[in-house]
Amino acid sequence: GAGVSQSPSNKVTEKGKDVELRCDPISGHTALYWYRQSLGQGLEFLIYFQGNSAPDKSGLPSDRFSAERTGGSVSTLTIQRTQQEDSAVYLCASRPDVVADTQYFGPGTRLTVL
Amino acid sequence: GDSVTQMEGPVTLSEEACLTINCTYTATGYPSLFWYVQYPGEGLQLLLKATKADDKGSNKGFEATYRKETTSFHLEKGSVQVSDSAVYFCALSDRGFGNEKLTFGTGTRLTIIP
Repeated sequence: GAGVSQSPSNKVTEKGKDVELRCDPISGHTALYWYRQSLGQGLEFLIYFQGNSAPDKSGLPSDRFSAERTGGSVSTLTIQRTQQEDSAVYLCASRPDVVADTQYFGPGTRLTVL
Repeated sequence: GDSVTQMEGPVTLSEEACLTINCTYTATGYPSLFWYVQYPGEGLQLLLKATKADDKGSNKGFEATYRKETTSFHLEKGSVQVSDSAVYFCALSDRGFGNEKLTFGTGTRLTIIP
């Protein structure tokens, strides 16, 4: 079946602009995660959605970052007023349910802030 | 908080050599342990996992044993191939604390030369 998909695969933006990154999880997966992979910080957790529960936003680095998940499926990560330090690969992952422990990753969106 | 420490890279080996990539962890609960692999130009893929002490995960000739007494999950392969060249990430998911986010090590870049 189809895996996790993300779009765009690459995004180049200017400092101060807003960007939206999209994630389509595997169909039927209730849990969705966003991570960031950067040279300085490695792979770090950003936010977690589980079903209809309130998201766990504990990993978001600043209030410029937000995410939503509509209808329990597609998720959008929004970065406002982008900064150069936001340049990274943003990864989305989904997990079948609260019991399963394996997360399945998408190919990522490479964000470059000039 | 939770943390994962893995062997610094890069690691360069000749084909058919033995591989060990060390990984140790700190966790407050009862973590599941994972090795993820990122091949050049591709997304993160689960390589193997173990969910409790003394479990051995294995896949594609790679093995890792969950050692609670030494808080370790070292990745091993008896005879590496050129196709194993990739970046390897050790990770844990601390079950019972809600979001079960993955905490990653810094990654180890492995290059196999013919």
